[in-house]
Amino acid sequence: NAGVTQTPKFQVLKTGQSMTLQCAQDMNHNSMYWYRQDPGMGLRLIYYSASEGTTDKGEVPNGYNVSRLNKREFSLRLESAAPSQTSVYFCASSEVGGTANYGYTFGSGTRLTVV
Amino acid sequence: KNQVEQSPQSLIILEGKNCTLQCNYTVSPFSNLRWYKQDTGRGPVSLTIMTFSENTKSNGRYTATLDADTKQSSLHITASQLSDSASYICVVSALSGYNKLIFGAGTRLAVHP
Repeated sequence: NAGVTQTPKFQVLKTGQSMTLQCAQDMNHNSMYWYRQDPGMGLRLIYYSASEGTTDKGEVPNGYNVSRLNKREFSLRLESAAPSQTSVYFCASSEVGGTANYGYTFGSGTRLTVV
Repeated sequence: KNQVEQSPQSLIILEGKNCTLQCNYTVSPFSNLRWYKQDTGRGPVSLTIMTFSENTKSNGRYTATLDADTKQSSLHITASQLSDSASYICVVSALSGYNKLIFGAGTRLAVHP
């Protein structure tokens, strides 16, 4: 019962470097999400995938790209990291349901520092 | 603008005591309201979900209330335990094409022995 698995847990990048954050879920959920959490602020949506084969921008998509590799996996890529992208990144998944009261399951997070 | 405000920002209580956390929101159109617990270094874990028609929901020692008219919610923790030390996040869902979630900044609770 792994739920949502994120890798890596910690990462330090230099400005301008690129990296991919990996996320996989084993609950057969259709929808997957990437959020960032910054001190003193609520989680903000970066990108989401309502179903396999679709991706859409969230509230703060600039500087990021995503790939929904298959139903289980949803990756987040930073092409040229900037210090402003220092944050904790959470992947989440949920069942499909427009306004239904479906639950979200979150991963444990990736703590990224860009120096 | 859709917003979720939580108070207090932080709270310290003694083990065994009760406490109440507050959440005010200006989200429209409203779909549902969720409370999450987030332990340090972990992802949020759902405690309760309430729709417009529900005004209370319990999960063990956690009881959430919702007043949709005043757009306020509270989370009451009874007989606190050391393991309750965490951040508690209020999340309001807005009716939209993808069920948009608006997160509060959280209340950081510390339970001391």
